[in-house]
Amino acid sequence: KNEVEQSPQNLTAQEGEFITINCSYSVGISALHWLQQHPGGGIVSLFMLSSGKKKHGRLIATINIQEKHSSLHITASHPRDSAVYICAVREKTSGSRLTFGEGTQLTVNP
Amino acid sequence: GAGVSQSPSNKVTEKGKDVELRCDPISGHTALYWYRQSLGQGLEFLIYFQGNSAPDKSGLPSDRFSAERTGGSVSTLTIQRTQQEDSAVYLCASSLTGRWNTEAFFGQGTRLTVV
Repeated sequence: KNEVEQSPQNLTAQEGEFITINCSYSVGISALHWLQQHPGGGIVSLFMLSSGKKKHGRLIATINIQEKHSSLHITASHPRDSAVYICAVREKTSGSRLTFGEGTQLTVNP
Repeated sequence: GAGVSQSPSNKVTEKGKDVELRCDPISGHTALYWYRQSLGQGLEFLIYFQGNSAPDKSGLPSDRFSAERTGGSVSTLTIQRTQQEDSAVYLCASSLTGRWNTEAFFGQGTRLTVV
């Protein structure tokens, strides 16, 4: 069992739909990151969370530390949101390195 | 520079040859990380540098892999006697500090293909 698990692995949506990507982890963490990877490999950090909820534009990220679960929501999805979304945790016991989920491939069709 | 810069962006090498991958972190960032993303796989940690401290090398897959960071800035990841299973995208990231609550910024990666 991976320490960080994401669901779904693949997600196809129509433009305008509300999207949710889930991340569960099994270790104690100090922070959780949501990353976006576009074709070509470039990675952008979307959010870093240690509690509660953060919002940036159409993106919302939440985390429940007790349940060891985080969600990434995209409102009013657009084809340009198509990318791989990766959940990564900074484990309390492993210093500063990140442990990554397998990623969720999102495709938003016009 | 404005972001984390990696070079080359693509590298094709013959099995058995040595390769060097370079990472220029954001100026002033004390923490630097190397990660690897193999085809169809998630990202995996390789090595972490923090200031002048001894690096965390616990993610390096074999002794053919080594990395150094000169002057607390540029880092070079070296793979000796490359094997086909070394083919992957090698990503570098830096952050202002190594503290848990600092954001990591990623480079575009180097796509290594061993033929």
